Amino acid sequence: GAGVSQSPRYKVAKRGQDVALRCDPISGHVSLFWYQQALGQGPEFLTYFQNEAQLDKSGLPSDRFFAERPEGSVSTLKIQRTQQEDSAVYLCASSLDPTTYGYTFGSGTRLTVV
Amino acid sequence: GQQVMQIPQYQHVQEGEDFTTYCNSSTTLSNIQWYKQRPGGHPVFLIQLVKSGEVKKQKRLTFQFGEAKKNSSLHITATQTTDVGTYFCAGGAGNNRKLIWGLGTSLAVNP
Repeated sequence: GAGVSQSPRYKVAKRGQDVALRCDPISGHVSLFWYQQALGQGPEFLTYFQNEAQLDKSGLPSDRFFAERPEGSVSTLKIQRTQQEDSAVYLCASSLDPTTYGYTFGSGTRLTVV
Repeated sequence: GQQVMQIPQYQHVQEGEDFTTYCNSSTTLSNIQWYKQRPGGHPVFLIQLVKSGEVKKQKRLTFQFGEAKKNSSLHITATQTTDVGTYFCAGGAGNNRKLIWGLGTSLAVNP
């Protein structure tokens, strides 16, 4: 596609509910990143894929967070048993080569846990 | 761990005034990227600097990478209301494709 597509744009979850956030990267972009952005803050790294391989998941805040990219294109970020502190915008970014071309971000999913 | 500090946190200017934001890293960077995020929007890639002392220009925007590759700046000449947003620097280190982000500088421009 023309850009990085994320769905849903907005998600309200009750505390304890599981959620799944989807990212469709730009076709051909091998690198895919998930970031968490709290209000008024910069993006915080969660995890990174190169094709289907998850090369770095050091930013995932707890074992309730899980990400996958089984076929090297679409990625899903899953949060189990959501807590209020999980409320944030979750940004997906893809790149052909982030050290050369930078990241292209999607519009994000705003998650509110009530 | 690696940190990227960005100052100032906020800046209000009158339209037509200049604006500069500074980025400082605790470690040497392999590259630095700059992004702009409009209110309610997502970060948009502006530019990447790789070489020591590099200077790049995009119309009214001038980007610099320090000689030691530990600091960078973004300067906007004669700001316009369309420049409103938060400007982030993000540094890369080595082969790690994970960028370390500054907290951003929020720019407000009074018409």
